[in-house]
Formats: sequence, C-alpha cells, structure tokens
Amino acid sequence: DAGVIQSPRHEVTEMGQEVTLRCKPISGHNSLFWYRQTMMRGLELLIYFNNNVPIDDSGMPEDRFSAKMPNASFSTLKIQPSEPRDSAVYFCASRRGGGTGELFFGEGSRLTVL
Amino acid sequence: AQSVTQLDSQVPVFEEAPVELRCNYSSSVSVYLFWYVQYPNQGLQLLLKYLSGSTLVKGINGFEAEFNKSQTSFHLRKPSVHISDTAEYFCAVSETGAGTALIFGKGTTLSVSS
Repeated sequence: DAGVIQSPRHEVTEMGQEVTLRCKPISGHNSLFWYRQTMMRGLELLIYFNNNVPIDDSGMPEDRFSAKMPNASFSTLKIQPSEPRDSAVYFCASRRGGGTGELFFGEGSRLTVL
Repeated sequence: AQSVTQLDSQVPVFEEAPVELRCNYSSSVSVYLFWYVQYPNQGLQLLLKYLSGSTLVKGINGFEAEFNKSQTSFHLRKPSVHISDTAEYFCAVSETGAGTALIFGKGTTLSVSS
C-alpha cells in the first residue's frame, strides 16, 4: 500500500513567486494534516481537514497561505507570494478514523525561497 | 489548547547506555500522547502511543514510555541504545475525541556514539 505522497520533494524559488505543494493521502484515510518544520519553531500545525472539510486553519501564518482539499485523494498548500521566511520543510500527514489513529507522514517538501 | 515541552533539545549517549527523553504536556482536557521518531530526510514514524489503561506503554525498537497524570509527563525510555537509534524524537499530544490534531513538541536529538 502506497504511503502519503508529496510533491515536489525539493523546490527552490525566488521571493514573490507562487509555490504549490501537493499531497496524496493514503487511500481510506479521512483526515489530512499540513505541518511546517523549521529549526527555530519545530513542527507547527498549519491546517487540517476531516472528510475534506477544513477544521482548523489557525496555524496558517497569514493570508499568503491557502490550502484546499477538493477530494479525498488530493490536497494542495499554496503560498502566494512566497518570502524567504517561508523556507522550511512542509509535511503532509493522513489518518484513518478519529484521534486515536496513527498519523502517517509523507517524506516532506523542502522549500527554499531566495 | 494543548502544548508540549520537550525538556532537552539534545541528548548525547554512548552505545548500550540507557536513555530517557523527557516530555511534559499541558492541557485542560483529557489527552492522548504519542512519541514519533524522525530519521534524517524522512517523515515521522510512530514509536508508541498512550490512549488509556496501563500507564506503561511499549513501542517499537525496544522503546517504552510512562504516562504520569499527576506530573503531566510522558517520558520515553530505552534500557540500551544502539547507533541506529540516532534520530530526532518528537512528543505529541491531542485532545481525546474524534478528529483532533496532534500538537508536537520541538523535538529532542538523540545522538548515540560508540
């Protein structure tokens, strides 16, 4: 069974450009999470969805960030315009069922904004 | 809201020595507790979790953790570490109930040397 698939694995872009990160959760999982990892702040929850519905987006840094989940098998995290302080590793994770279930993480998308 | 404090950012140990990674949490409601491990350039993997019942939980790779409600702690232990245990370890908490997100601590880097 395929795990959580994220793309791209690495992205280098210039300040001001639009960045789109993609995530395919594990089939049958009904919750999806976006986290950001930096040395300074550790792992921060950005947003999560249950059954494709955004539940909590209070972790999204600012209006430049947006996330969508148009169906159960796909989600995007978009940054427009990007800034150097957005440089981080962005992780997508999915889970089956409720809060007792294990989160399965993708390998992450490493974003560098110059 | 919940929060997690990992008391040590780095823990260096020699191979075959015992290790304890400390984790304290804060929450006004009942919680589930988790430990995840992250190897370089990979996503996070579940080591173990506490949901209810016995306060001593055993996980993969010989790790165990003990839930202490009065001290709001969930420390991770291993009696004898291997070089291959070198990794970043994250403690996480979530509210009990369906569909809640995990909040992670900032991580502890375990470095095992020979």
